Amino acid sequence: QKEVEQDPGPLSVPEGAIVSLNCTYSNSAFQYFMWYRQYSRKGPELLMYTYSSGNKEDGRFTAQVDKSSKYISLFIRDSQPSDSATYLCAMSSEDKLVFGAGTILRVKS
Amino acid sequence: NAGVTQTPKFQVLKTGQSMTLQCAQDMNHNSMYWYRQDPGMGLRLIYYSASEGTTDKGEVPNGYNVSRLNKREFSLRLESAAPSQTSVYFCASSEPLKRRVDSGYTFGSGTRLTVV
Repeated sequence: QKEVEQDPGPLSVPEGAIVSLNCTYSNSAFQYFMWYRQYSRKGPELLMYTYSSGNKEDGRFTAQVDKSSKYISLFIRDSQPSDSATYLCAMSSEDKLVFGAGTILRVKS
Repeated sequence: NAGVTQTPKFQVLKTGQSMTLQCAQDMNHNSMYWYRQDPGMGLRLIYYSASEGTTDKGEVPNGYNVSRLNKREFSLRLESAAPSQTSVYFCASSEPLKRRVDSGYTFGSGTRLTVV
């Protein structure tokens, strides 16, 4: 069993939809949780981060962490074609991040 | 522009050939990492270096070696390339997350390696 599980998709939604991306994990020591966005043929870029449990909001993006369920989510409101990318969850107990497989998101105009 | 620079961007090797992937960062980060990315597998850690002069194995180190030449540079070497090493390789750098979780990792743009 992988330490971090993420559905690779692809996920295809119409413009303006609310998108929900999720990851589950098995290591209860994880305390740093991140979401990276990766455009085609580019390196991943940090999108959101949270420390321990709770929610964090930044514009159209909301990250949630539920440590009791070992489950993290990223919500994208009013999705745009420019949001089309691969979204990778990542988490760590110290400095070495463990990544999910990434979910391919396509937002259709 | 500050960031992580990887060279080369593309490379085709024949089975058994050797090569070194170069990585340099100008953000004065202590930690540097090498990942490989394969379809459906996400990013898997090959080696990392917590500070100048130290290196440690990650999840998939077999067939690779690394050198932390100085604080800025971290190279990855394939001594005898195999088709299973066909992948996209990413270098990254960071500060300790407990100190700068808001900056996370900074990644380079990747090296696309094909071994035939």
